[in-house]
Amino acid sequence: GQNIDQPTEMTATEGAIVQINCTYQTSGFNGLFWYQQHAGEAPTFLSYNVLDGLEEKGRFSSFLSRSKGYSYLLLKELQMKDSASYLCAVSAYGNNRLAFGKGNQVVVIP
Amino acid sequence: DAGVIQSPRHEVTEMGQEVTLRCKPISGHNSLFWYRQTMMRGLELLIYFNNNVPIDDSGMPEDRFSAKMPNASFSTLKIQPSEPRDSAVYFCASNLGTGQETQYFGPGTRLLVL
Repeated sequence: GQNIDQPTEMTATEGAIVQINCTYQTSGFNGLFWYQQHAGEAPTFLSYNVLDGLEEKGRFSSFLSRSKGYSYLLLKELQMKDSASYLCAVSAYGNNRLAFGKGNQVVVIP
Repeated sequence: DAGVIQSPRHEVTEMGQEVTLRCKPISGHNSLFWYRQTMMRGLELLIYFNNNVPIDDSGMPEDRFSAKMPNASFSTLKIQPSEPRDSAVYFCASNLGTGQETQYFGPGTRLLVL
């Protein structure tokens, strides 16, 4: 089975940096995805990590440590539109399914 | 591309009624996923299909839930009879199904069972 843990909510100021953590336990780990979900909308893809290290994509970066079962999403230069829930999801070898964490709600204030 | 299409977008029904949710995946995608999202349980996979064949239905809550995929461009999720605890947002997603690719989500169906 897969077990994914994410903290629930954080508030940050516009222009700041916020880090969202995700820890997981799974057999046959085969990659970790980060999704963004605005209230009332569908999740949308942000990033994918399968190897250890940092992947940078504009204001967003995602880090993975396979040995520690740990990932984080770093949001820089926060904007009001970044207020959303951020979900991490883990995939395992042998199937095409994703197991999602419950998400971390980020609230950006002026 | 139009993206994943779901209908209806909203559904309000009474307990005991049958509910049918519909999904059209992105053209060319071979895998289709049905999820349910609630505040308490988050986003849960109910069932997924690969090449129209159900691969994993371990997330389907009980016999009241059933899903079909009669062809590559259409799937249904049916709840019969519906209960208030089925109230949730139901998402459909699709991907190519050839490896570890991103899943693309539809806009969801917001279901309220009274």
